[in-house]
Amino acid sequence: LAKTTQPISMDSYEGQEVNITCSHNNIATNDYITWYQQFPSQGPRFIIQGYKTKVTNEVASLFIPADRKSSTLSLPRVSLSDTAVYYCLVGDFSGGYNKLIFGAGTRLAVHP
Amino acid sequence: DAMVIQNPRYQVTQFGKPVTLSCSQTLNHNVMYWYQQKSSQAPKLLFHYYDKDFNNEADTPDNFQSRRPNTSFCFLDIRSPGLGDAAMYLCATSREGTGGKRTEAFFGQGTRLTVV
Repeated sequence: LAKTTQPISMDSYEGQEVNITCSHNNIATNDYITWYQQFPSQGPRFIIQGYKTKVTNEVASLFIPADRKSSTLSLPRVSLSDTAVYYCLVGDFSGGYNKLIFGAGTRLAVHP
Repeated sequence: DAMVIQNPRYQVTQFGKPVTLSCSQTLNHNVMYWYQQKSSQAPKLLFHYYDKDFNNEADTPDNFQSRRPNTSFCFLDIRSPGLGDAAMYLCATSREGTGGKRTEAFFGQGTRLTVV
């Protein structure tokens, strides 16, 4: 059962870079690592997905070391609107099919 | 344009009265998921469909059932809602090919269920 471990909460200030690390020691060979963002009373929203090394899009970067046992979501120059819960997910083959299992997530608070 | 649509956004039901939540998608994704999310907790997977194959999580209560009559629609039926079933219910879709490679999941806005 592929599980993830993240810090429960983080605090930052506007304009700073935020790095959230996720541990996934039992990641499967075919698994991708995916990060989601969730605002209160809304469904989670996809941020970024990667398999190895580094992936960058218009909102974030994802760093994955060679052993893939962890990953780091990097949010450049956060603003107040980045205050949300961030979830790291990997595939779960225990049921025979891929499943999206959420860990506890990291609650990011961005302060003025 | 909304791609995963959940109706209604808010649902109030009486204790013990069956209730159905609906989800539709315009993405033609073969995987659909139902999650339950309680306040300040992570979404908890209830079940998911891979095409027509239904996969129930081991700890999903029997009180929760699901139907997927076609690719676009999926329903969550709560046969006898209790006070503990009050939560946000989230529907999501993704496309999975052979070998388990999966696209990102798209979530609906959720249905907030209140049990009175």
